[in-house]
Amino acid sequence: SQTIHQWPATLVQPVGSPLSLECTVEGTSNPNLYWYRQAAGRGLQLLFYSVGIGQISSEVPQNLSASRPQDRQFILSSKKLLLSDSGFYLCASAINNQPQHFGDGTRLSIL
Amino acid sequence: QKEVEQNSGPLSVPEGAIASLNCTYSDRVSQSFFWYRQYSGKSPELIMSIYSNGDKEDGRFTAQLNKASQYVSLLIRDSQPSDSATYLCAVPPGAGSYQLTFGKGTKLSVIP
Repeated sequence: SQTIHQWPATLVQPVGSPLSLECTVEGTSNPNLYWYRQAAGRGLQLLFYSVGIGQISSEVPQNLSASRPQDRQFILSSKKLLLSDSGFYLCASAINNQPQHFGDGTRLSIL
Repeated sequence: QKEVEQNSGPLSVPEGAIASLNCTYSDRVSQSFFWYRQYSGKSPELIMSIYSNGDKEDGRFTAQLNKASQYVSLLIRDSQPSDSATYLCAVPPGAGSYQLTFGKGTKLSVIP
């Protein structure tokens, strides 16, 4: 079965600083990968998904970007963080139309 | 555009009772459904998948699917305080789509 690794678990960043969150997947190949954000007390918001290396689809226009440099690596980045970027960031992986499985998430606080 | 609706709750049940969580969806062609459990501060965890009309049981959990009425439910028998969490209903991607549509979740509290 697949395992999704995310780090760091928590992160505190000042407004205007850059961001890089990494997600790696073990135990499978060619997964579909997803980045979600969950604001406090809110539902899951899909940010990006990828069906293969270098293929990124953006769901919400904002100051975040994603990249997939390797089959099982998915990176979420920002050049300048905003206060509104605070939240719980989740990486998920799925094979074809099978259910998604989530990593443990990164809790990001912007000061 | 698929829509998945859930009562946000909170739903409070006493320990040992049956908790009933409901979800309705808008896409008539959806063929399968997933239930995730999310503890406070944690990531969602898949607990049930259901692919055909009727009931599917797994331990204390039963998923019920009614495609004609476009709803899916999750029953938790003998509810325990450890079942207190937010339960998310999700509809998987159809042909040509890779996006899993999540409901906003129902918060369940099991009172000891």
